[in-house]
Amino acid sequence: KAGVTQTPRYLIKTRGQQVTLSCSPISGHRSVSWYQQTPGQGLQFLFEYFSETQRNKGNFPGRFSGRQFSNSRSEMNVSTLELGDSALYLCASSWGGRDYGYTFGSGTRLTVV
Amino acid sequence: GENVEQHPSTLSVQEGDSAVIKCTYSDSASNYFPWYKQELGKGPQLIIDIRSNVGEKKDQRIAVTLNKTAKHFSLHITETQPEDSAVYFCAATPGSGYSTLTFGKGTMLLVSP
Repeated sequence: KAGVTQTPRYLIKTRGQQVTLSCSPISGHRSVSWYQQTPGQGLQFLFEYFSETQRNKGNFPGRFSGRQFSNSRSEMNVSTLELGDSALYLCASSWGGRDYGYTFGSGTRLTVV
Repeated sequence: GENVEQHPSTLSVQEGDSAVIKCTYSDSASNYFPWYKQELGKGPQLIIDIRSNVGEKKDQRIAVTLNKTAKHFSLHITETQPEDSAVYFCAATPGSGYSTLTFGKGTMLLVSP
């Protein structure tokens, strides 16, 4: 059974640019959550999508956005990149959400220079 | 919102010893408490979880205990092995709404042969 797949694994961008990260959940999983992981702040919740609808959002600026497609694949976009956006971005999928357990992907390492 | 505190931040043990990691949470409505293990270059992996209607759960060398009155839960690893070396995260999720996981800051466990 394939796990959660995130692409690309590594990304280097320049300040001011925008970036799109992709996540393919486990087959049959309808919930996809995104987290930002940094050494200083740890794992911070960005947003969750369930059946193409955003049903929860963390405390991040509007530059961070996401969407989910009908096949449950999800993308997150960060516009006007800042140096502080450098982080590991993790995607987690679940059959139904928090009470069903989450499986994480290996993440996308974003470096902003 | 939910706040999860985790201690210690680093833990060094000798192979064969036991390791205990402790977490406290703030939201009395939280009812699901997973533990994740993150190895270098990988995403967090769920290793054990417990729900609020259970006081203890065990899976081979790993156990988790929950004290709802005191709002704390702990991870116990017995007979530690070098491959247990990783960063461990506790998390909690409130029982209402579509809230997702709130993570502790993590514990780096080092098991020396």
